[in-house]
Amino acid sequence: KAGVTQTPRYLIKTRGQQVTLSCSPISGHRSVSWYQQTPGQGLQFLFEYFSETQRNKGNFPGRFSGRQFSNSRSEMNVSTLELGDSALYLCASSTNTEAFFGQGTRLTVV
Amino acid sequence: DAKTTQPPSMDCAEGRAANLPCNHSTISGNEYVYWYRQIHSQGPQYIIHGLKNNETNEMASLIITEDRKSSTLILPHATLRDTAVYYCISKPWGGNTGTASKLTFGTGTRLQVTL
Repeated sequence: KAGVTQTPRYLIKTRGQQVTLSCSPISGHRSVSWYQQTPGQGLQFLFEYFSETQRNKGNFPGRFSGRQFSNSRSEMNVSTLELGDSALYLCASSTNTEAFFGQGTRLTVV
Repeated sequence: DAKTTQPPSMDCAEGRAANLPCNHSTISGNEYVYWYRQIHSQGPQYIIHGLKNNETNEMASLIITEDRKSSTLILPHATLRDTAVYYCISKPWGGNTGTASKLTFGTGTRLQVTL
């Protein structure tokens, strides 16, 4: 059974640009959530999708958005990138019991 | 979700048991205790969870005090590969149509297993 797949693994963008990250959950999982990890703030919840609907949202500005498709794959988008958006972005798909994380996308904003 | 408190770091000799404590004194009756770990540069990995009874699986044991205000994760025979940051999280059950996501991570305990 394939795990959670995130693409790309690494990304370098310039301030002001926008970026789209992709997450393919484990087959059969309908819930996908996103997290941002930085050295200063640690692991922070961004948002969660279940059956194409956003169920929860963390305390992030509107520049951060996401969506989920009918096949449960999810994308998150960050517009007008800032240097502080440099982070490891993690996606997780989950059952009722446990969340399975991907390896993350490391975004560097220069 | 209730706040949890963990020591910032611990050391353990390889082959010995690693006992990682967690304080969750404000935990609600419907909140479970979850443990995840994150090995450097990888995504967090689920370890175990429990409500009030002690739990054991192939990775670890979870001991929850009777008043549920604290718990201990036990790795019975720590190896070098257990070196990681361990997170204790309390959150409500996801429900039949809910999920185990929306995890609130604290700063965790950095466990260093040494020879």
